Amino acid sequence: EDKVVQSPLSLVVHEGDTVTLNCSYEVTNFRSLLWYKQEKKAPTFLFMLTSSGIEKKSGRLSSILDKKELFSILNITATQTGDSAVYLCAVGPFNSGGSNYKLTFGKGTLLTVNP
Amino acid sequence: DVKVTQSSRYLVKRTGEKVFLECVQDMDHENMFWYRQDPGLGLRLIYFSYDVKMKEKGDIPEGYSVSREKKERFSLILESASTNQTSMYLCASTQTGAYNEQFFGPGTRLTVL
Repeated sequence: EDKVVQSPLSLVVHEGDTVTLNCSYEVTNFRSLLWYKQEKKAPTFLFMLTSSGIEKKSGRLSSILDKKELFSILNITATQTGDSAVYLCAVGPFNSGGSNYKLTFGKGTLLTVNP
Repeated sequence: DVKVTQSSRYLVKRTGEKVFLECVQDMDHENMFWYRQDPGLGLRLIYFSYDVKMKEKGDIPEGYSVSREKKERFSLILESASTNQTSMYLCASTQTGAYNEQFFGPGTRLTVL
């Protein structure tokens, strides 16, 4: 059974701090790891990682994957109150047939950024 | 832009009622998913469909059924709603060939009294 574990489960920081969110996984036939941000609505896509060691970056957010150690990190620098959200990590397997597109989600990390 | 819509943002039903949650996507995606999201449990997959009239059980299908008569529409059915089905329900879709990126609808918060 595929498994995704995120840590910490919650985190409180002050504006301007840098945070690192962790995601470890166990999946048969790994295909991709995805990060989503969820405010009080639907999750919105942040990054998709498929190869080890290649950093994906978008503004103050960045992420990297280690396929040997089976984990990924999401970094947010110079945090702002608008970064407050639940950050979800998900992994997708490479299977044959219809289940090829399933994702297994972690429980998420609740980030609170105080002014 | 991909758009996934869900029929209701908030829904209140009584125990034993039959409940229909509708999801529509406008990007011709083959694959559609229904999740429920509960505090401390994250997103859990209920059912998914990879083609019209095709469906597969997810991790927690008990008490639910689905229908996919048209490619753009995926319905979740609670045959006899129970209080433990009070939850946030999220629909998502993705195209075949994509590296699993799923696009989510806004969610339906269902309360069963």
